[in-house]
Amino acid sequence: GQNIDQPTEMTATEGAIVQINCTYQTSGFNGLFWYQQHAGEAPTFLSYNVLDGLEEKGRFSSFLSRSKGYSYLLLKELQMKDSASYLCAVRDSNYQLIWGAGTKLIIKP
Amino acid sequence: TAGITQAPTSQILAAGRSMTLRCTQDMRHNAMYWYRQDLGLGLRLIHYSNTAGTTGKGEVPDGYSVSRANTDDFPLTLASAVPSQTSVYFCASSDSAGGHTDTQYFGPGTRLTVL
Repeated sequence: GQNIDQPTEMTATEGAIVQINCTYQTSGFNGLFWYQQHAGEAPTFLSYNVLDGLEEKGRFSSFLSRSKGYSYLLLKELQMKDSASYLCAVRDSNYQLIWGAGTKLIIKP
Repeated sequence: TAGITQAPTSQILAAGRSMTLRCTQDMRHNAMYWYRQDLGLGLRLIHYSNTAGTTGKGEVPDGYSVSRANTDDFPLTLASAVPSQTSVYFCASSDSAGGHTDTQYFGPGTRLTVL
């Protein structure tokens, strides 16, 4: 079966750095996506990785290791508005997205 | 640009009744998707459409039907609602279904409660 694993919940302090991990086992791999979802709202696109390595976009960076079936999202200089759920999704061999359950990130002052 | 709109925002429905959730996008995207999101689970694909006139089944299609008469609209119908269909439903669209950099954009969601 296909599986995406992420921690259920994480807590971090405003101004700090947090790393949210995602491991996956899917039938084929055609890219990995990270989305942000604030409570009661729609998911919004953050990043996309298809090759190994780090993609940096402002305060957010995403890393991929295809051989390990592993990705992480790194959030720097945390702000209160970063309190949200972060969803990891892998596009499989049928070009369908397989979604993790999401990591709820709580930011404390 | 509105992007993707969904209606209604929320609905309480009696079991056994039918209902259609509406989804409209103005981005001229070819592909559209319906997901349900339940607490503790990842988004699960119900049905999808790679282009107008075609539809396909996702991971959890039972009890749902869709149609894609044109590019912009992708309604989801529950023929006879059951309590297990209580969920938040998201419609999404993407420019294509197979591009390597393709990204899905989501509507605001419909919160459905079946009693």
